[in-house]
Amino acid sequence: EDKVVQSPLSLVVHEGDTVTLNCSYEVTNFRSLLWYKQEKKAPTFLFMLTSSGIEKKSGRLSSILDKKELFSILNITATQTGDSAIYLCAVVPPGGTSYGKLTFGQGTILTVHP
Amino acid sequence: DAGVTQSPTHLIKTRGQQVTLRCSPKSGHDTVSWYQQALGQGPQFIFQYYEEEERQRGNFPDRFSGHQFPNYSSELNVNALLLGDSALYLCASSHERYNSPLHFGNGTRLTVT
Repeated sequence: EDKVVQSPLSLVVHEGDTVTLNCSYEVTNFRSLLWYKQEKKAPTFLFMLTSSGIEKKSGRLSSILDKKELFSILNITATQTGDSAIYLCAVVPPGGTSYGKLTFGQGTILTVHP
Repeated sequence: DAGVTQSPTHLIKTRGQQVTLRCSPKSGHDTVSWYQQALGQGPQFIFQYYEEEERQRGNFPDRFSGHQFPNYSSELNVNALLLGDSALYLCASSHERYNSPLHFGNGTRLTVT
């Protein structure tokens, strides 16, 4: 069975700090790895990673995938209180055209204090 | 552009009862997936509907069933509720033809007492 493990489970930092969130997976084959941010209820999409070694960036957030070592990291620089959320990592199984069946990790709870 | 909408937002039920949750996908989307998120856990895949049929299913018992309507909206039904069914139920939509990530709704918080 596919397994996705995130670490740390929770993290408390102060504004301006840089954080690195980890996602490792035990998946025999997958199409993409996704990162979501969940603030209150609805997870919102951050990144989709398909190729190994190619960094995706969006403002202060960046992410990279290592298919050889089976992990991905999400970096947030100059953290703000608005970054406080649960960060979820998910893998997309191979086959088909729909991204419906995702396997999620348990999430990392990030708390940013002023 | 309306995103994914779910109703109701909160629901309290008693053990043994039945519940129906509703979801309208994002405009232009035709595929609906349902997830269960227990407190402190990541979402777990329940099933996916496309063209009014259940296409994929996760490890959930037959007490969990669903339906998709011609307008692409969807319902999740849970029978014989157990205390362990208490969770946030998330609906997500996507377009079958395009490899786009899921868009999630705000969920329905179900409490079983």
